[in-house]
Amino acid sequence: EAQVTQNPRYLITVTGKKLTVTCSQNMNHEYMSWYRQDPGLGLRQIYYSMNVEVTDKGDVPEGYKVSRKEKRNFPLILESPSPNQTSLYFCASSPRTSSRTYNEQFFGPGTRLTVL
Amino acid sequence: AQKVTQAQTEISVVEKEDVTLDCVYETRDTTYYLFWYKQPPSGELVFLIRRNSFDEQNEISGRYSWNFQKSTSSFNFTITASQVVDSAVYFCALPSYNQGGKLIFGQGTELSVKP
Repeated sequence: EAQVTQNPRYLITVTGKKLTVTCSQNMNHEYMSWYRQDPGLGLRQIYYSMNVEVTDKGDVPEGYKVSRKEKRNFPLILESPSPNQTSLYFCASSPRTSSRTYNEQFFGPGTRLTVL
Repeated sequence: AQKVTQAQTEISVVEKEDVTLDCVYETRDTTYYLFWYKQPPSGELVFLIRRNSFDEQNEISGRYSWNFQKSTSSFNFTITASQVVDSAVYFCALPSYNQGGKLIFGQGTELSVKP
């Protein structure tokens, strides 16, 4: 089944304890991205990757790191989480056919993170 | 600047009623795409439709239909004979050409379908 998977789905942690949220897709998509969803602020992009070894900042990259060593995986790293990073996180992937054609982004199930 | 506006924050209907969710967008691009996503109470984001600016034909998929009008910069979504399972938050989105295809989402419309 074609899908984007995220782990963990739920996480409660404490301030300063490094964590990684994994994201994997099995559709051979070039493009992957991370968003966070917060009440009143909607969905905002954190980082994105156009292909392996190519990553760039989105709208709210502070406090996050990413890497894209393999095409299928795009982990989100919080080196020192803080309470303002409590949020619902989504990973997404998309095939890219050209620089001006935007295909639908397929989203993972979401990771609900609480930082105490 | 690019922007998506969903002016209806919440809509409540009774099952079997038809309901239309409004989406108005702003973009200076002459070629663009628009999307609709559904977020049910379980939280995931489900892709519903993609439309490009070259194609102004209305789209119908079962009980769902979409009306795209470039003249008014609108891409409205209609659910015919709504069902309780349609209860969800619906998002309209526009890809940004400046940030690798980042989706610019509207604020979302929460649809509640009551039995």
